[in-house]
Amino acid sequence: DGGITQSPKYLFRKEGQNVTLSCEQNLNHDAMYWYRQDPGQGLRLIYYSQIVNDFQKGDIAEGYSVSREKKESFPLTVTSAQKNPTAFYLCASSTVRENTEAFFGQGTRLTVV
Amino acid sequence: GDSVTQMEGPVTLSEEAFLTINCTYTATGYPSLFWYVQYPGEGLQLLLKATKADDKGSNKGFEATYRKETTSFHLEKGSVQVSDSAVYFCALSGRGRGSARQLTFGSGTQLTVLP
Repeated sequence: DGGITQSPKYLFRKEGQNVTLSCEQNLNHDAMYWYRQDPGQGLRLIYYSQIVNDFQKGDIAEGYSVSREKKESFPLTVTSAQKNPTAFYLCASSTVRENTEAFFGQGTRLTVV
Repeated sequence: GDSVTQMEGPVTLSEEAFLTINCTYTATGYPSLFWYVQYPGEGLQLLLKATKADDKGSNKGFEATYRKETTSFHLEKGSVQVSDSAVYFCALSGRGRGSARQLTFGSGTQLTVLP
């Protein structure tokens, strides 16, 4: 079945550590996205990529980094510079055509301990 | 920039009640509009969409009509079920740098349906 797989589902990070969240898709989509969701709030865009080896900052990119070495993969690193990383992280993908929706993974819940 | 304003929740209804969740938007050009649903601990699933003015999206008994004159895309269902309990997000598509699409989301509305 085609879809987006995020791993792990739950992740715990100690203060000062970097952690990497995985996102893989087999939908052959060109565009991929990372969103952050906090309780009672909507989704905020962290980074997005429309093609391999290219990506752009979203609204809240500070303290995060990404890479897009393969079309299928768009990992997100939460660095120690991110002061409040505890959140639910969602990866999505889409075509770059007009009027098409984004498909989401199941999310990763990151908690700082 | 683009923005989506959604009815604040939480919304609590009895089973078989009528549901309306209001959504208005601000955008340049002609965005596509979406409703997504999120069940606890899961990602978002597309519920319905509309791509141009006066289009009606529908799925699983839910409907929403793209009203350009009022910049609205209100979600409705005639008879809700307990299984409809979830968070509902209104969203629109916009344009980022280059040609990649971006979605702008409302803040979400928590719906609880009681038996």
